[in-house]
Amino acid sequence: AQTVTQSQPEMSVQEAETVTLSCTYDTSESNYYLFWYKQPPSRQMILVIRQEAYKQQNATENRFSVNFQKAAKSFSLKISDSQLGDTAMYFCAFMKHAGNNRKLIWGLGTSLAVNP
Amino acid sequence: DAGITQSPRYKITETGRQVTLMCHQTWSHSYMFWYRQDLGHGLRLIYYSAAADITDKGEVPDGYVVSRSKTENFPLTLESATRSQTSVYFCASSESGSQAAQHFGDGTRLSIL
Repeated sequence: AQTVTQSQPEMSVQEAETVTLSCTYDTSESNYYLFWYKQPPSRQMILVIRQEAYKQQNATENRFSVNFQKAAKSFSLKISDSQLGDTAMYFCAFMKHAGNNRKLIWGLGTSLAVNP
Repeated sequence: DAGITQSPRYKITETGRQVTLMCHQTWSHSYMFWYRQDLGHGLRLIYYSAAADITDKGEVPDGYVVSRSKTENFPLTLESATRSQTSVYFCASSESGSQAAQHFGDGTRLSIL
């Protein structure tokens, strides 16, 4: 069975600095998808970034980028130029690439505080 | 563009009562999902649906019932609410493509007294 581990329950960063959130996963699958979601205090669950395992190039969305290391089963999220609005819970999630299976396997999250 | 809407946003009820949480999406997404979010457990899948009239159990289905007679609606019913079902419930939807990400509603905070 797949598992997703976020080893940092809480992190903090100063505004304008860079922070990296860790995520590791365990799977025997060769093709799959990885996601980072953000949940601010408003409780919304917002997609931050998505990575397809068969693509070697790391995904980037504005200030958010990932470091995808397939052999190490690692999928870290880097937030550059941190802003106060980045304060949120961040969840890493895994999905197999398998027919109708759309089940996401979730990590327990990392709470990020951006300090002024 | 309304996206995905959950109602109510907050609900308080008593043990033993039936309660239904509503979920409506305007994207015509094939897939819809119900999750519960609890401290220490993260998000756990309750039920999901690949299309109208097709539903399947997730990780924690006991005590819940779903239906999907129309593509856009996916209600979740607690037939006889228990205190252990106090939680925040999220509905999500995604397109049918295998790479599609799930998009979430704003959640319903349900308290069972």
